[in-house]
Amino acid sequence: GAVVSQHPSRVICKSGTSVKIECRSLDFQATTMFWYRQFPKQSLMLMATSNEGSKATYEQGVEKDKFLINHASLTLSTLTVTSAHPEDSSFYICSARDPGGRSTDTQYFGPGTRLTVL
Amino acid sequence: GESVGLHLPTLSVQEGDNSIINCAYSNSASDYFIWYKQESGKGPQFIIDIRSNMDKRQGQRVTVLLNKTVKHLSLQIAATQPGDSAVYFCAETIRDTGNQFYFGTGTSLTVIP
Repeated sequence: GAVVSQHPSRVICKSGTSVKIECRSLDFQATTMFWYRQFPKQSLMLMATSNEGSKATYEQGVEKDKFLINHASLTLSTLTVTSAHPEDSSFYICSARDPGGRSTDTQYFGPGTRLTVL
Repeated sequence: GESVGLHLPTLSVQEGDNSIINCAYSNSASDYFIWYKQESGKGPQFIIDIRSNMDKRQGQRVTVLLNKTVKHLSLQIAATQPGDSAVYFCAETIRDTGNQFYFGTGTSLTVIP
């Protein structure tokens, strides 16, 4: 089945620093990936749609200069949280569609990255 | 984004019983629905999906029912096992508009041995 990985799984950083999270599709090529944020005991909130070779599409209320997304290849999308602050602490999850898979509409999710900003 | 909500935030069932988790959606244009299971500290895991041209779909021990008239979705888990304990989310999307998924609030299922 379609496998999506994320790195790192957990990161702790100081306030004001930037953190990069990687999302990879391991056994398929993904022209579109998605980034979500999840606070404790809450649902997943879509942040942006990452499109290979073009600019990301951000959901309303998500600062594009704060959350930089780069989709440089068909198997890798990165999310950089710039000048991180404690309120950015959250669980960040990516997903990808497998256009060649049995279900082209389903999104397959990575294991998530726990970001803690001190 | 679209509004997708769940009726019951928590659900406790006895091992071996059947579980029913409900979800309401607000966008009548949504044409694809998915149920995910999320264990603590992990990413969501696909369970089952259904397109809007269907009313029912069955998987292994799971059944999804879709009622488009009242914009309601349910997930039935047969013979619930302790390993089914997790948070369950429904998500909706419109397939030809970018496939953005919008998630409901989630139901925490606890299976009592």
